[in-house]
Amino acid sequence: GEQVEQLPSSLIVQEGASVLINCSYTDSASVYFPWYKQEPGKRLQFIIDIRSNMERKQNQRLTLLFDKKTKHLSLHITATQPGDSAIYFCSPHNRIFFGDGTQLVVKP
Amino acid sequence: DAAVTQKPRYLIKMKGQEAEMKCIPEKGHTAVFWYQQKQSKELKFLIYFQNQQPLDQIDMVKERFSAVCPSSSLCSLGIRTCEAEDSALYLCSSSPQTGKGERLFFGHGTKLSVL
Repeated sequence: GEQVEQLPSSLIVQEGASVLINCSYTDSASVYFPWYKQEPGKRLQFIIDIRSNMERKQNQRLTLLFDKKTKHLSLHITATQPGDSAIYFCSPHNRIFFGDGTQLVVKP
Repeated sequence: DAAVTQKPRYLIKMKGQEAEMKCIPEKGHTAVFWYQQKQSKELKFLIYFQNQQPLDQIDMVKERFSAVCPSSSLCSLGIRTCEAEDSALYLCSSSPQTGKGERLFFGHGTKLSVL
């Protein structure tokens, strides 16, 4: 079946640091790649997406890189804040499969 | 922002009891998804509805769950006989279309505890 690998599973950083979250997938037919954020007690929230005809997309402090050839995505968060503390999920397989999540903790 | 409503927020059942949770998709959304999330991590796909028809579901749902969308504004997920391993957060999400290019809008979830 289709597989999604998301790494690392957890990250603890100091406020202001940059982080990188990686996501690899197997389905060559995937064309749309949204990412979501889940803060404690809050609903999962869309944060950024990219389509297969793009290589890079930026939304404020978030940059999403996509390599179609290697089936790999990277989410880069710069100037992290305590409010960025959450679990981040990639979703490369048409809403059926998600990565296992990356728990980010940003210490003030 | 779009909002999906799930009820109840918390559900406590004894092993062997039946459980039911409801989801009101965002108005106008035709695709509805249910996921199971344990210990705030992995999201496990359960079932997908398009225009109230189930189009994809995992074996566990076929065997032990009941899921329907009796109208475009209401879906429900039921567990016929709760087991301890069913304790989880059940998330409902909806999206506007069936294509591959739409993001999901999530509810807060129903947290089920099976004692």
